[in-house]
Amino acid sequence: AQSVSQHNHHVILSEAASLELGCNYSYGGTVNLFWYVQYPGQHLQLLLKYFSGDPLVKGIKGFEAEFIKSKFSFNLRKPSVQWSDTAEYFCASDGSGNTGKLIFGQGTTLQVKP
Amino acid sequence: NAGVMQNPRHLVRRRGQEARLRCSPMKGHSHVYWYRQLPEEGLKFMVYLQKENIIDESGMPKERFSAEFPKEGPSILRIQQVVRGDSAAYFCASSPDQNYGYTFGSGTRLTVV
Repeated sequence: AQSVSQHNHHVILSEAASLELGCNYSYGGTVNLFWYVQYPGQHLQLLLKYFSGDPLVKGIKGFEAEFIKSKFSFNLRKPSVQWSDTAEYFCASDGSGNTGKLIFGQGTTLQVKP
Repeated sequence: NAGVMQNPRHLVRRRGQEARLRCSPMKGHSHVYWYRQLPEEGLKFMVYLQKENIIDESGMPKERFSAEFPKEGPSILRIQQVVRGDSAAYFCASSPDQNYGYTFGSGTRLTVV
């Protein structure tokens, strides 16, 4: 079965520190990949997505992610985090074609200390 | 343009009661997806609907759970005879097509006591 795994369940950083959240997927075929963010009390918002082309994807709020096919990875990065980045981050994939159905990782809670 | 509206935001039910969760998609969106998030887990796909049709219900438990998206009105996720294990956050998302233009609602947090 297809799966997505996020290595870090809870990350604590100080402001201005660099961030990298790991994400690995299991599907070996064509895959679309996503990162979503959920701020406290709010709905999930799309940070960025990869369908094809340049493996380095830039998203909103200074986030980027790199698709490395050989490692089945799609790690999320930000050079300098802010307190307002405190949220839960979800990686998701769809390797089953155009059904709109996403498989989510278990999420990573990021806490940024001011 | 209002986002995806889910109500209620919080729902408390006693074991054995029925829970009805509502999702009004964004205007112009005809595709609706329901996901469930259990404590300490990621979101799990439940069902994908278009107007009056269930497209994919592979993530729905076989019993007690049903979903509909009628021609008029919101999509409804219905859980009959709730049990404590149904306690979770239920998220709805909508899109205008299958190209992952997902917009999520804020979720309904169901607590079964």
